[in-house]
Amino acid sequence: DAGITQSPRHKVTETGTPVTLRCHQTENHRYMYWYRQDPGHGLRLIHYSYGVKDTDKGEVSDGYSVSRSKTEDFLLTLESATSSQTSVYFCATWRGGSYEQYFGPGTRLTVT
Amino acid sequence: KQEVTQIPAALSVPEGENLVLNCSFTDSAIYNLQWFRQDPGKGLTSLLLIQSSQREQTSGRLNASLDKSSGRSTLYIAASQPGDSATYLCAVLQGGSEKLVFGKGTKLTVNP
Repeated sequence: DAGITQSPRHKVTETGTPVTLRCHQTENHRYMYWYRQDPGHGLRLIHYSYGVKDTDKGEVSDGYSVSRSKTEDFLLTLESATSSQTSVYFCATWRGGSYEQYFGPGTRLTVT
Repeated sequence: KQEVTQIPAALSVPEGENLVLNCSFTDSAIYNLQWFRQDPGKGLTSLLLIQSSQREQTSGRLNASLDKSSGRSTLYIAASQPGDSATYLCAVLQGGSEKLVFGKGTKLTVNP
C-alpha cells in the first residue's frame, strides 16, 4: 500500500455549498488521481496530477477543481455541490517504474 | 478509445471451486493490466499487475494471464473460499497514457 489516507471519510452537505476532500500519501509517489464510483458507471476519472502544481482533467471534471501544492497532498474541491455529485470518491497514487496504482479508502459524499 | 469489459457482472460459486474471471479490452496497445479486489464499502486493493511483455503473474491462489493479441486477460482463483467474495476489477494502461481504463467489475460470491 502507498499509505494513502482520505479525509473526511463521510460527509453530508447541502446543495450549493463548497466542499473540499483531501488525499494524503506518505510514499512520495509522483502521480495522484481522483475518481468517483457510482453504480452502473464504475470508476470514472475526475482529475489527476503528475507533479506539484501540475494537473489535468479526466472524463468527468465539470464542477470539480483540484490543487496540489505539496507532493503528499491532493485536494478535490466541489465548487458548488449538486445532488449529482453524491458519490464515493477515491484517491489513488501511482508508483513509478511498474506504474502500479494504489487506492485510498474512499470518501462517501452525500449532497442533499 | 479503449474499452474494458468484464463478463459476467456477477458470479456465484460453491466453496472449493476453481473459477475464472474474464476481462477483455478493445485496443491491444497496452502497457500493463492490473487486477483489483474491492470489498463492500472499501477501496480497491491491487492483486496482480501484468506488464505487456508478460504472459502471466501468480500470487498464492491467484493467477492472472494476459493475451494481448486477443485483447483478453483472465484471473484464475484456485480452491475458492468465502473470504474471496468481493468485486474484482481489471484496468488497463494504454501505452503513452497516464490514465487507467477500468472495467465495471465482476461481483463474486463464494457460498460456504
